[in-house]
Amino acid sequence: DIVMTQSPDSLAVSLGERATINCKSSQSVLDRSGSKNYLAWYQQKPGQPPKLLVSWASTRESGVPDRFSGSGSATDFTLTISSLQAEDVAVYYCQHYSAPPWTFGQGTKVEIK
Amino acid sequence: QVHFVQSGAEVKKPGASVKVSCKASGYTFTSYNIHWLRQAPGQRPEWMGRISPGNGNTIYSQKFQGRVTFTRDTSATTVYMELNSLRSEDTAEYYCARIRTPSVLNDAFDIWGQGTMVTVSS
Repeated sequence: DIVMTQSPDSLAVSLGERATINCKSSQSVLDRSGSKNYLAWYQQKPGQPPKLLVSWASTRESGVPDRFSGSGSATDFTLTISSLQAEDVAVYYCQHYSAPPWTFGQGTKVEIK
Repeated sequence: QVHFVQSGAEVKKPGASVKVSCKASGYTFTSYNIHWLRQAPGQRPEWMGRISPGNGNTIYSQKFQGRVTFTRDTSATTVYMELNSLRSEDTAEYYCARIRTPSVLNDAFDIWGQGTMVTVSS
């Protein structure tokens, strides 16, 4: 199984400042063509299911604010919130979908400093 | 509007079975694979497996193989997850989630059910 490891486990950022979350996979999640990464980012707020923010490592979902951006390739990925807003307080998960079993990182809790 | 509605919370005793439903609406039910995941309190989501509503094909995580069964009722646009031999470690929120691209195996989950809390306690 591919193990997904996020860092840090939690971070506190001032409103308007940048938040950066890292995700590392134990194996490459790059497809055979070398053009796509099977990596998604989700946001989860208390009492809600996860919400898809980014797929293919860097493609933002429709309706997701452009302050959210994903980057990286193969085994190392990053989710950046360029200017933290109060409504961004949540737990963020990375997830690979290259082959079963799909697995998630342990989550990163983002709070306001 | 694409929507999943799951059945209500369950409380079960160890050794019992639970069956959770997930009713889909707002899209062509047979065109998109649906996955089941669970999330224990304070933990990361855990993938359980997948069903293809068009032909009923399933794949299960090895962790749950032999203990879980996915079925579907195309006329009711509903998928079901049945988990047997419940133990306390199965206490979790159970979710159905749709793969975003039709007829594709590998993609992200764009639509999630609201979750069904299953509590296993003697």
